[in-house]
Amino acid sequence: GAGVSQTPSNKVTEKGKYVELRCDPISGHTALYWYRQSLGQGPEFLIYFQGTGAADDSGLPNDRFFAVRPEGSVSTLKIQRTERGDSAVYLCASSSRGAGGETQYFGPGTRLLVL
Amino acid sequence: GEDVEQSLFLSVREGDSSVINCTYTDSSSTYLYWYKQEPGAGLQLLTYIFSNMDMKQDQRLTVLLNKKDKHLSLRIADTQTGDSAIYFCAETPGSYQLTFGKGTKLSVIP
Repeated sequence: GAGVSQTPSNKVTEKGKYVELRCDPISGHTALYWYRQSLGQGPEFLIYFQGTGAADDSGLPNDRFFAVRPEGSVSTLKIQRTERGDSAVYLCASSSRGAGGETQYFGPGTRLLVL
Repeated sequence: GEDVEQSLFLSVREGDSSVINCTYTDSSSTYLYWYKQEPGAGLQLLTYIFSNMDMKQDQRLTVLLNKKDKHLSLRIADTQTGDSAIYFCAETPGSYQLTFGKGTKLSVIP
């Protein structure tokens, strides 16, 4: 594809529900990143995939958050038992190899609102 | 401090130069970045500078890096209304993870 795409663009859910957010990286990019951007803040790193494996998940806030990338392309960020504090824009980015200095290309984000 | 610091707001007149400042935290950051975010849009990479450089110029953009003071700045010459956006600086404390500041909202007055 031309760029990183994310679906849905907006998601409204109720506290306690489960949500899945999808990211389609740029074709051929082996590195994929998830960030979370709260209102008035810069994006914060959540997790980094190199291929199918999560190379660094140190940014995931707790065990309600989980992400997968089973075939090394599309990734899904999963949030269980959502809380109001999970409301944010979830950004996905990809880069060619994950090496230092590579440009990370960001998608438009999924705006999650937990009521 | 532990955070990447940026002033939150900047207002300039169209045609003037804008200077957005950033103080970063990790002296080992190999690359330092400037991203632009327009309302409802994702982050767009504007430019970056390698840590062994002092300055980088790219058309209307000039990046200055002072490693001693861990200070990064972005100058936009001849600022246009289309430059109105939030500008984030980001450092790379690891080899891949980006750590962002809170962003500077640039408002351009016609």
